[in-house]
Amino acid sequence: GAVVSQHPSWVICKSGTSVKIECRSLDFQATTMFWYRQFPKQSLMLMATSNEGSKATYEQGVEKDKFLINHASLTLSTLTVTSAHPEDSSFYICSARDPSRGPYNEQFFGPGTRLTVL
Amino acid sequence: KQEVTQIPAALSVPEGENLVLNCSFTDSAIYNLQWFRQDPGKGLTSLLLIQSSQREQTSGRLNASLDKSSGRSTLYIAASQPGDSATYLCAGRGSEKLVFGKGTKLTVNP
Repeated sequence: GAVVSQHPSWVICKSGTSVKIECRSLDFQATTMFWYRQFPKQSLMLMATSNEGSKATYEQGVEKDKFLINHASLTLSTLTVTSAHPEDSSFYICSARDPSRGPYNEQFFGPGTRLTVL
Repeated sequence: KQEVTQIPAALSVPEGENLVLNCSFTDSAIYNLQWFRQDPGKGLTSLLLIQSSQREQTSGRLNASLDKSSGRSTLYIAASQPGDSATYLCAGRGSEKLVFGKGTKLTVNP
């Protein structure tokens, strides 16, 4: 199967610091990765779509200068939450698409990263 | 803009019962619809994916149907078990994006 990992699985940081979350496709190359955010008892909301070698496409209302996304290789995308504040505390989940399975294949999801900003 | 709604928000059933979870979507121009399971504090586990040309998919005790014309999908769970307790999310895919419902929290009581 297609496996996606995230690191770290949880992180606690002080307000004003930056936090980097990694998303890796372990057994396939992912030209496209997606970053979602999930607040308690809410659904997943797409934050941005990350394409390898190009700039990420952000959804409306998501600050690109606050949530920096880098997709430098076919197996790694990173999300950096800059100057984090308590309202950024959330569950962040990435997903990756395997292009070898056709243009409209499913996304494979990572296990998520719980961010708590004090 | 695609909107996905799941009813009910929560469901509690006794072990062994058959149950149906509902998902509706506003834009019938979807490429596929996917059902996921999410355990507390965990990521998503894909259960079933139905392509737009398909009517249903089955995996073990799970059966998912898709009716694009009415904008509805259902997830049928047969002979429910306590281990089925989780939140079930459906998501419709249009072009690249997946749009998720808020989920149905299922509790199966022993």
